[in-house]
Amino acid sequence: AQTVTQSQPEMSVQEAETVTLSCTYDTSESDYYLFWYKQPPSRQMILVIRQEAYKQQNATENRFSVNFQKAAKSFSLKISDSQLGDAAMYFCAYRRNSNSGYALNFGKGTSLLVTP
Amino acid sequence: NAGVTQTPKFRILKIGQSMTLQCTQDMNHNYMYWYRQDPGMGLKLIYYSVGAGITDKGEVPNGYNVSRSTTEDFPLRLELAAPSQTSVYFCASSYISYEQYFGPGTRLTVT
Repeated sequence: AQTVTQSQPEMSVQEAETVTLSCTYDTSESDYYLFWYKQPPSRQMILVIRQEAYKQQNATENRFSVNFQKAAKSFSLKISDSQLGDAAMYFCAYRRNSNSGYALNFGKGTSLLVTP
Repeated sequence: NAGVTQTPKFRILKIGQSMTLQCTQDMNHNYMYWYRQDPGMGLKLIYYSVGAGITDKGEVPNGYNVSRSTTEDFPLRLELAAPSQTSVYFCASSYISYEQYFGPGTRLTVT
């Protein structure tokens, strides 16, 4: 089974600073997708960014970028110029293959606190 | 375009009662999923469906049943509710292998 590990239960960052959230995963597959989801207090799951394993280039979405290290099975999320609205739970997720309906395996999450 | 909708938003059940959590999507997605989120944990897959009439079990299917008679709807049935089923339930949908879109969740308490 593909496991996803987020080793930081909580992180804190000051407004306008940069923070990096860690994620590691275990898989024997060579082609897969990885995602970061944001869950604010409203509980809504919001897709932040995705990375295709076959792409060497790290994905970026505005202030959000990833550091994807395929050999190390590491997928960290960097948030630049942090804003108060970034405060939320962040979940790293691995997308399974078609035999499992492309379902997602989630880590336990990292709670991000943003201080003024 | 409402996306993925779930009803109810909140529910309290007594032990042994049954209920159905409703999920509807209007994006014509063929894949639909049910996850549960326990406190301090990530989401875990209960059941999924790859199209009308086709469902399969996820990691934690015990105590639940699903059906998929239309593309739009994917209800989750809880039979004989137990305290261990206290959780937040999320429905999601996707077009084949593209990213999943989530509903707002249903918070269920079994006492």
